[in-house]
Amino acid sequence: GAGVSQSPSNKVTEKGKDVELRCDPISGHTALYWYRQSLGQGLEFLIYFQGNSAPDKSGLPSDRFSAERTGGSVSTLTIQRTQQEDSAVYLCASSPGAGLAGSDTQYFGPGTRLTVL
Amino acid sequence: QKEVEQNSGPLSVPEGAIASLNCTYSDRGSQSFFWYRQYSGKSPELIMFIYSNGDKEDGRFTAQLNKASQYVSLLIRDSQPSDSATYLCAVIFRTSYDKVIFGPGTSLSVIP
Repeated sequence: GAGVSQSPSNKVTEKGKDVELRCDPISGHTALYWYRQSLGQGLEFLIYFQGNSAPDKSGLPSDRFSAERTGGSVSTLTIQRTQQEDSAVYLCASSPGAGLAGSDTQYFGPGTRLTVL
Repeated sequence: QKEVEQNSGPLSVPEGAIASLNCTYSDRGSQSFFWYRQYSGKSPELIMFIYSNGDKEDGRFTAQLNKASQYVSLLIRDSQPSDSATYLCAVIFRTSYDKVIFGPGTSLSVIP
């Protein structure tokens, strides 16, 4: 079946512009995560959606970052007034979250490479 | 602060040797543990998960979990150059969110 998809694959923008990154999780997966990964660095947690619960926004680096998940499926990460330090690969992952063994396994999308000039 | 720690490496092993990757975590209540592999420029992919104390084997990979000592390790037998990647340890902390926390990763290089 289809995996996690993200769009766009690459985004180049100018400092100060807003950008929207999209994630389509695997159908039926209840959990969705956004991460940021700078070159040569580890995964930086941004935000986590689980079912209909309020999202865990504890990883968002500033109030310029926001995310929503509509209908428990597609998610959009929005970065307002982008800065050069926002340049990174933004990864989305989903997991089944059904409580069965291995259901917490995360399936990652290919990422969106954001470059802020 | 819930944390997951790994040696950043790089860890270099000769081809055919056993590579040993270690991970420690701070939350004694953690119950689910995962190893992911990430090739340069690619997204992480699951190698295996482990929930119970002891060893779990899958092909050339063995995960070892010791909850009393709060560590989980990954052994790679007969290491191959294709195993060269960054290995990420992930732990689920059982809070109301059951959130996954990743370690910083260990870079492994298998030398032919």
